[in-house]
Amino acid sequence: QQQVKQSPQSLIVQKGGISIINCAYENTAFDYFPWYQQFPGKGPALLIAIRPDVSEKKEGRFTISFNKSAKQFSLHIMDSQPGDSATYFCAASLPAGNQFYFGTGTSLTVIP
Amino acid sequence: SQTIHQWPATLVQPVGSPLSLECTVEGTSNPNLYWYRQAAGRGLQLLFYSVGIGQISSEVPQNLSASRPQDRQFILSSKKLLLSDSGFYLCAWSDPRGGNTEAFFGQGTRLTVV
Repeated sequence: QQQVKQSPQSLIVQKGGISIINCAYENTAFDYFPWYQQFPGKGPALLIAIRPDVSEKKEGRFTISFNKSAKQFSLHIMDSQPGDSATYFCAASLPAGNQFYFGTGTSLTVIP
Repeated sequence: SQTIHQWPATLVQPVGSPLSLECTVEGTSNPNLYWYRQAAGRGLQLLFYSVGIGQISSEVPQNLSASRPQDRQFILSSKKLLLSDSGFYLCAWSDPRGGNTEAFFGQGTRLTVV
């Protein structure tokens, strides 16, 4: 059973456009929601993260929007650049912090 | 600062041969350690995780095993590789004491079983 559902599987965006990746979860005990960025042949790296007590977090061109009542969160990449082309994973973790539940990933391609 | 080392970066092994992938973490103590596998174009599948020396939890029954002989060392092994073991293997760690719980990944090992 997939604890965190992610969509779309792939995304193509023009340079300068907005990339939006969505995730949904069921377990209301999750208390931390990180996003990871993975370039080909590399390990995922933490991009940005949010806790459920805030509805939005912004770091540069990257923004997480969080809707606790809908159990959904999304990553917005503003002014998308070709260098943003990568696979993005959303994740969720429990307070104990021993396990992470990852989405299935979104392959983002930004066309120049 | 904490760092995670994983090796080798790439590996080509024949079917039926043994496997040993090693991962070490520096700059922290008592980390949680994880092994993930990522098939081509797919998500992250948790294989094993460990909360302490000699403590291994297996998430998926398979041809692989894991060991944690030292606090910051995590080893992924197989006695006889199968073709289906091919994939991208990632080691990760997290701090069980931290308030912001995230996983930090190594650079991965690309395993091709031929």
